Amino acid sequence: AQSVTQLDSQVPVFEEAPVELRCNYSSSVSVYLFWYVQYPNQGLQLLLKYLSGSTLVKGINGFEAEFNKSQTSFHLRKPSVHISDTAEYFCAVSDTFGFGNEKLTFGTGTRLTIIP
Amino acid sequence: NAGVTQTPKFRVLKTGQSMTLLCAQDMNHEYMYWYRQDPGMGLRLIHYSVGEGTTAKGEVPDGYNVSRLKKQNFLLGLESAAPSQTSVYFCASSYHPSGGVGNYNEQFFGPGTRLTVL
Repeated sequence: AQSVTQLDSQVPVFEEAPVELRCNYSSSVSVYLFWYVQYPNQGLQLLLKYLSGSTLVKGINGFEAEFNKSQTSFHLRKPSVHISDTAEYFCAVSDTFGFGNEKLTFGTGTRLTIIP
Repeated sequence: NAGVTQTPKFRVLKTGQSMTLLCAQDMNHEYMYWYRQDPGMGLRLIHYSVGEGTTAKGEVPDGYNVSRLKKQNFLLGLESAAPSQTSVYFCASSYHPSGGVGNYNEQFFGPGTRLTVL
């Protein structure tokens, strides 16, 4: 069974500072990794995904993440945050990709708060 | 395109009451999902459907039933609500993952239904 650990439940960051949100996963098979963002009072939307190929993945709104197989991590980064980045961020993993039942296992989320 | 819509947005029930949450999507997606979101627990899959007329259990199915009579609709029912079912419920949909790396099909989420059971 797969699992996802988001080590920080809350991360406060000053505006224009860099941020890293941490995500570690465990799985006995090959995995596919995702970051979703949830803005206040909204549903989730896909920020970026890693399926294969380059381990550095770029997403929307200037975010990027790096897949590190040896450390089983998929940390999310942004070099300079904006007030509009205030949201909750979820890391997710799937190991049933493309075989009929695509199911995601989500982490517990990290609430990113941008301080003006 | 409205995308994924959920009805109602808010609801308060008393213990033992029943209700149905409606999810509708206009993207012609084959797959639909119901999740619940609880503080500190992320999203957990309740039930899902891979096509009209088919449903399957997810991670936390107890106390819930679902139906997919039409491709565009996925209903979540609570027959006898309990306080433990107080949560925010999200519906999502996606195209059938056609297999092979690079063919992942993104899940699109609705805005959620906030349910309180007293």
